[in-house]
Amino acid sequence: LAKTTQPISMDSYEGQEVNITCSHNNIATNDYITWYQQFPSQGPRFIIQGYKTKVTNEVASLFIPADRKSSTLSLPRVSLSDTAVYYCLVGDGTGDTGRRALTFGSGTRLQVQP
Amino acid sequence: EAQVTQNPRYLITVTGKKLTVTCSQNMNHEYMSWYRQDPGLGLRQIYYSMNVEVTDKGDVPEGYKVSRKEKRNFPLILESPSPNQTSLYFCASSLFPVDQPQHFGDGTRLSIL
Repeated sequence: LAKTTQPISMDSYEGQEVNITCSHNNIATNDYITWYQQFPSQGPRFIIQGYKTKVTNEVASLFIPADRKSSTLSLPRVSLSDTAVYYCLVGDGTGDTGRRALTFGSGTRLQVQP
Repeated sequence: EAQVTQNPRYLITVTGKKLTVTCSQNMNHEYMSWYRQDPGLGLRQIYYSMNVEVTDKGDVPEGYKVSRKEKRNFPLILESPSPNQTSLYFCASSLFPVDQPQHFGDGTRLSIL
């Protein structure tokens, strides 16, 4: 399984840029990297997904180096409402007809202070 | 509205009393899965299904059963619940291939006494 490792927690202040890095040394060739956000007592919510290089959407950017063994979620100008747990997810790529389990990491708890 | 619906949202029960948590999605998704979430352990996949009548074990399948008789439904069955299955459970669905973003339900909090 493609295990992921993330920092347990991070602290920031409103208006700052936050970068959360995830390590996934065993990522398979056909795996995408997906990040989710979770608020207390809610299910995780999709933020962004990428395969390589850089992806940007209206809420975040995702940076993936050439070796794809890590990825960095970048949240520009965070606000108090960005306080949440962020999960990095990679698939267990065994082919189109193979086992397709998904493994979440333990997540990074981001606390944004005023 | 596109959604994943779990029931019940909360349940307190006793050891050994069989229970079923239902999960239904209205997005015609092929892939469905169940996760449990425990403090400090993040989300761990219990079972998943790539389509009707196709299910497979995730990371922590012991003590659980699932079935996928219809595309929209993916119930989680605890035949003989034990206290170590007290947890917060999430159902999710996505298009296939599984790298597509998953849509999660609001969760079911189970307490096994």
